[in-house]
Amino acid sequence: NAGVTQTPKFQVLKTGQSMTLQCAQDMNHNSMYWYRQDPGMGLRLIYYSASEGTTDKGEVPNGYNVSRLNKREFSLRLESAAPSQTSVYFCASSEDGRTQYFGPGTRLTVL
Amino acid sequence: LAKTTQPISMDSYEGQEVNITCSHNNIATNDYITWYQQFPSQGPRFIIQGYKTKVTNEVASLFIPADRKSSTLSLPRVSLSDTAVYYCLVGYNTDKLIFGTGTRLQVFP
Repeated sequence: NAGVTQTPKFQVLKTGQSMTLQCAQDMNHNSMYWYRQDPGMGLRLIYYSASEGTTDKGEVPNGYNVSRLNKREFSLRLESAAPSQTSVYFCASSEDGRTQYFGPGTRLTVL
Repeated sequence: LAKTTQPISMDSYEGQEVNITCSHNNIATNDYITWYQQFPSQGPRFIIQGYKTKVTNEVASLFIPADRKSSTLSLPRVSLSDTAVYYCLVGYNTDKLIFGTGTRLQVFP
């Protein structure tokens, strides 16, 4: 039981490049989330998916898109990366909507 | 959205009990109180959750007074490995939860 997994662990992009962050969970949870965490700050919600086939914006959705591919997988796409998107990205899942289980994170640097 | 206020940082020594208080004056009737722990370069880890009175598990206790406007996370006999950031969240649905800057706990030998 791996819990929540994220790929890649590290990524460096140039401004304007695109990439997709992958997240998968094996706990059969309905809800999945994408957060970003800037240095010394708390986590901010980017997008979430309450169930397969649905997605909703969180606090900071601009510049991102998401896909809930199936119940297990929830991807985050940066279409045109900007230096302001340099951050650590965490994926999480939840069964009851109150308790979240987080992945190890993806450290993204945009030059 | 229920806003929470926690101390920015706390220091302790190994073996001591640590109590971190979170203020949440506008907590709603359906809201739960949840605490997470985060180590550097890792995702937050769920510690404990409660609605009222006292909740205890193998790592911590959570005390919630009758008015629910605050809560206290209690870590018994901390060790160096408890050095981390602790977040208090209040809400019912996780999509409405806000992670503040948390409380940075430093445990000294």
